[in-house]
Amino acid sequence: DARVTQTPRHKVTEMGQEVTMRCQPILGHNTVFWYRQTMMQGLELLAYFRNRAPLDDSGMPKDRFSAEMPDATLATLKIQPSEPRDSAVYFCASGLNPLAKNIQYFGAGTRLSVL
Amino acid sequence: GQQVMQIPQYQHVQEGEDFTTYCNSSTTLSNIQWYKQRPGGHPVFLIQLVKSGEVKKQKRLTFQFGEAKKNSSLHITATQTTDVGTYFCAGPRGSSNTGKLIFGQGTTLQVKP
Repeated sequence: DARVTQTPRHKVTEMGQEVTMRCQPILGHNTVFWYRQTMMQGLELLAYFRNRAPLDDSGMPKDRFSAEMPDATLATLKIQPSEPRDSAVYFCASGLNPLAKNIQYFGAGTRLSVL
Repeated sequence: GQQVMQIPQYQHVQEGEDFTTYCNSSTTLSNIQWYKQRPGGHPVFLIQLVKSGEVKKQKRLTFQFGEAKKNSSLHITATQTTDVGTYFCAGPRGSSNTGKLIFGQGTTLQVKP
């Protein structure tokens, strides 16, 4: 059963600490997306990779957020230093573009609380 | 910029009643997708519509893509408690070749047993 795997599922940290979230996309998928979901903003696209290359991170606060894809099986999203306003659910999604016509498969998410 | 709007934001229905959510795009879309997110869960792909005026059914769910390919609707007949969740529509962000999607804000459905 192919699925996107995200770790950790929950993270509670103190303001100023570094947070690293990991994502294993579905094997063979060539696009990876990082989203942030809050009640106020809904689903916000933070970063987008295609064939491991970062193509769009315009939705990401550059001063504290960074996204990388060191290999085809791992994508990471880092926040340093974290702030309370970063508290949200972070989703990773993968897809096969253009063959799969933009359909995205989401992981279970990382629920982040910054105190 | 490009926008996708959904109405209503929330809907409470009695079990057995029908439910409809509407999605409107500021731009013509090459396709539109619908996702469902259960409470505490993650968005799950439901369906994709591609053709102008297309109608697709999944059991009690009926999806429609407008003639101008700028709007869509999801209709649930005789809701059940298992239908509870947030329904999102999404269309290609910018060029459809990028794989990026723009999501509506979602419609949250509550079903009273």
